[in-house]
Amino acid sequence: QVQLVQSGAEVKRPGASVKISCKAPAYTFTTTYYIHWVRQVPGRGLQWMGMINSASGRTTTAQTFQGRVSLTRDKSTSTAFLEVSSLKSDDMGVYYCARTITVSYFYATDIWGQGTTVSVSS
Amino acid sequence: QSALTQPASVSGSPGQSITISCSGTNRDVGSSNFVSWYQQHPGKAPKLILYDVYNRPSGISNRFSGSKSGNTASLTISGLQSEDEADYYCCSYSTGSLLMVFGGGTKLTVL
Repeated sequence: QVQLVQSGAEVKRPGASVKISCKAPAYTFTTTYYIHWVRQVPGRGLQWMGMINSASGRTTTAQTFQGRVSLTRDKSTSTAFLEVSSLKSDDMGVYYCARTITVSYFYATDIWGQGTTVSVSS
Repeated sequence: QSALTQPASVSGSPGQSITISCSGTNRDVGSSNFVSWYQQHPGKAPKLILYDVYNRPSGISNRFSGSKSGNTASLTISGLQSEDEADYYCCSYSTGSLLMVFGGGTKLTVL
């Protein structure tokens, strides 16, 4: 069964950065899948943050997060990364990575990571 | 504020059918057939149940169906079962500043 495995929970100070990893099957990075990042803030539903083309590394980031979010991937370790800088209390929540259902298609994701909880507290 | 509008809650009895709407604009729902639906149980990751408006991924029950008219997409669940109780989110491709946009989510209660 295909899985995405995310890194563990993080506790950060306001203003700090957090980097979350998402390990996928190796073949994900040899073909054109897209890894999306979605966050869930308590009581506010799902929020799309951006996506990365697993093969080329090209990224698309939601305008809301531009300048504060960095999406990268390391093909050698079959891992995608989300880094969020200048953390605020509003950034507290669960962050998910998710892979698209097929190659060369980026509109829906059927494989999701288990989620990474980010807490921001002074 | 979510880009797509869903009812906050719906409910139905076992065996009944319910429909959840997802209203957008001609820049998202109305711009393409790239509308998907996700089911989320408490403490779990979302699960894809429909994509491209009405296509079901492998393993998803045919009790779940989708449709779209203009700027509004809909998810219908027939033959409600207790395990259908969950939150449901629509998601659409958008030509705006967000490439993908989610609805605010709908809590389904099976009475």
